[in-house]
Amino acid sequence: KAGVTQTPRYLIKTRGQQVTLSCSPISGHRSVSWYQQTPGQGLQFLFEYFSETQRNKGNFPGRFSGRQFSNSRSEMNVSTLELGDSALYLCASSTGQGSDEQYFGPGTRLTVT
Amino acid sequence: QKEVEQDPGPLSVPEGAIVSLNCTYSNSAFQYFMWYRQYSRKGPELLMYTYSSGNKEDGRFTAQVDKSSKYISLFIRDSQPSDSATYLCAMSVNPGGYQKVTFGTGTKLQVIP
Repeated sequence: KAGVTQTPRYLIKTRGQQVTLSCSPISGHRSVSWYQQTPGQGLQFLFEYFSETQRNKGNFPGRFSGRQFSNSRSEMNVSTLELGDSALYLCASSTGQGSDEQYFGPGTRLTVT
Repeated sequence: QKEVEQDPGPLSVPEGAIVSLNCTYSNSAFQYFMWYRQYSRKGPELLMYTYSSGNKEDGRFTAQVDKSSKYISLFIRDSQPSDSATYLCAMSVNPGGYQKVTFGTGTKLQVIP
């Protein structure tokens, strides 16, 4: 079974631009969660999508948004990029039921200059 | 105060040593406890997943949960250089059939041959 894939793996953007990251979950998984990882804050939860609906949301500004498609693939968008948005963005997939486990992708390394 | 506290290390041990990694938490509603291993430039991978207090063993790894003290541990026996990675504890409340996971900031472990 193929794992979670994320594209692109690396991105360099300038302040003020916007960016879209993509995540393809494990086949059969309907839940996709997004996380931001930085050295100082660690892994911070952004949001979770299940069956095309946002089920959970973390404490990030509205510049961070996402969506999920009918095939469970998910995209995350960050508008008006700031230097502090430089981070590793990880997505994780799961069946979305009960206490199931999450499986992480390799992440997208975003650098904002 | 963060909901989950984890010593960032780095922790350096000789090959073959027993490693003890720990996290404390403040939210008594956490019910599910996980340990992830993250190699450099990779996404986290799930090592251990526990629900109740007590010990759970898997090969060289033992996860321990003490809900009364709000303290969890991961022990690694006969540590190997390949265990060198960052170890993240994670917890979730699992409200209403889905979960928002809170992570520790990670402990960087180096096993010296």
